[in-house]
Amino acid sequence: QKEVEQNSGPLSVPEGAIASLNCTYSDRGSQSFFWYRQYSGKSPELIMSIYSNGDKEDGRFTAQLNKASQYVSLLIRDSQPSDSATYLCAVRSGTASKLTFGTGTRLQVTL
Amino acid sequence: DTEVTQTPKHLVMGMTNKKSLKCEQHMGHRAMYWYKQKAKKPPELMFVYSYEKLSINESVPSRFSPECPNSSLLNLHLHALQPEDSALYLCASSQVVLDSYEQYFGPGTRLTVT
Repeated sequence: QKEVEQNSGPLSVPEGAIASLNCTYSDRGSQSFFWYRQYSGKSPELIMSIYSNGDKEDGRFTAQLNKASQYVSLLIRDSQPSDSATYLCAVRSGTASKLTFGTGTRLQVTL
Repeated sequence: DTEVTQTPKHLVMGMTNKKSLKCEQHMGHRAMYWYKQKAKKPPELMFVYSYEKLSINESVPSRFSPECPNSSLLNLHLHALQPEDSALYLCASSQVVLDSYEQYFGPGTRLTVT
């Protein structure tokens, strides 16, 4: 059973702080890793993808991948109230186009 | 442009009705997906079409019937649904490229079965 695990939260951070969201996965053969943001009642929105070890930065977002530790994280710098949402980690393994989603971490950015 | 469109936005249907959900993308993606999402749960894969052929069926009940008329369109035909089928139905699309498969979701159809 391929698993993707996330802390369900809520993770509460003050405005302007760095939010750190973590995800672990069980399948060592996993190849592609994605972070989606989902506002309540809306559909998931792809915000980051990462395929190789290390960091990938896009604006205020940084994705970090460590395949040896089977760990992927998302850092959000200068957190804003508009970042308050559920963040879903998704992992692709093998040649199929199937994603395995974590249960999501709810982030609350407080004023 | 990373837009996937879905119609209708909301649908209420009785258990004896037949209805269809529609999804369209114009990004040239050759893989399209149907997901079901219940409240406070992650999306749950139902079907995958790759190059207009059904490649994955996650043991979905036959009251859900997918169809891919062409590379841009994906339908989900619904018949004799149960109240527990009420959920947000999401369509997604992606390239079929090694080391990619970034999936882009549509806005979803909120389905209520009465």
